[in-house]
Amino acid sequence: GQQLNQSPQSMFIQEGEDVSMNCTSSSIFNTWLWYKQEPGEGPVLLIALYKAGELTSNGRLTAQFGITRKDSFLNISASIPSDVGIYFCAGRGIYGGSQGNLIFGKGTKLSVKP
Amino acid sequence: GAVVSQHPSWVICKSGTSVKIECRSLDFQATTMFWYRQFPKKSLMLMATSNEGSKATYEQGVEKDKFLINHASLTLSTLTVTSAHPEDSSFYICSARVGQVFSNYGYTFGSGTRLTVV
Repeated sequence: GQQLNQSPQSMFIQEGEDVSMNCTSSSIFNTWLWYKQEPGEGPVLLIALYKAGELTSNGRLTAQFGITRKDSFLNISASIPSDVGIYFCAGRGIYGGSQGNLIFGKGTKLSVKP
Repeated sequence: GAVVSQHPSWVICKSGTSVKIECRSLDFQATTMFWYRQFPKKSLMLMATSNEGSKATYEQGVEKDKFLINHASLTLSTLTVTSAHPEDSSFYICSARVGQVFSNYGYTFGSGTRLTVV
């Protein structure tokens, strides 16, 4: 089945540094979503991408839908302590059918040192 | 907009009992909802897709008789863990699909339910 490879698995950075994480797949996706999850909570949508090549920003966050439709990246600029959490990419494949099911990456755990 | 409310946020139950988790779309109608299970430090695993007015579609390996899903209205889906055992302890999260156009579907998540079976 379709799988997403998300990297890095974890990151330990200093406050103020920029962060970059990405997801790749051997399959084509027609939607890429980036979520942040904090302990004991459900994922919260950060950015949604619907077109190949699309570059979208949400405050200090920027994400891009790869031209090949097989990858996406998320950048966080000037990190702050509240950026701590687990970031998940999620894709919806072209073979999602009427359900439009999402496939999740394994997450990137971000730790920010003040 | 597009808020999903999940209840309860946590529950502790005795082994052999059943537990019901509710997922409500507060300000929109959700014809399709999804139920996920998440183990500690792991990603979300789709358990089943719930469609209003019809039977849920379960992912491979998920016991439909153990995890009963009911989507009786456009704003409510429920997951019942029947005859719960300690290995069913996990974080369960629901999600609702938002939007009418396939190309622009959004997915909003509930806040999750921590189930502990003792």
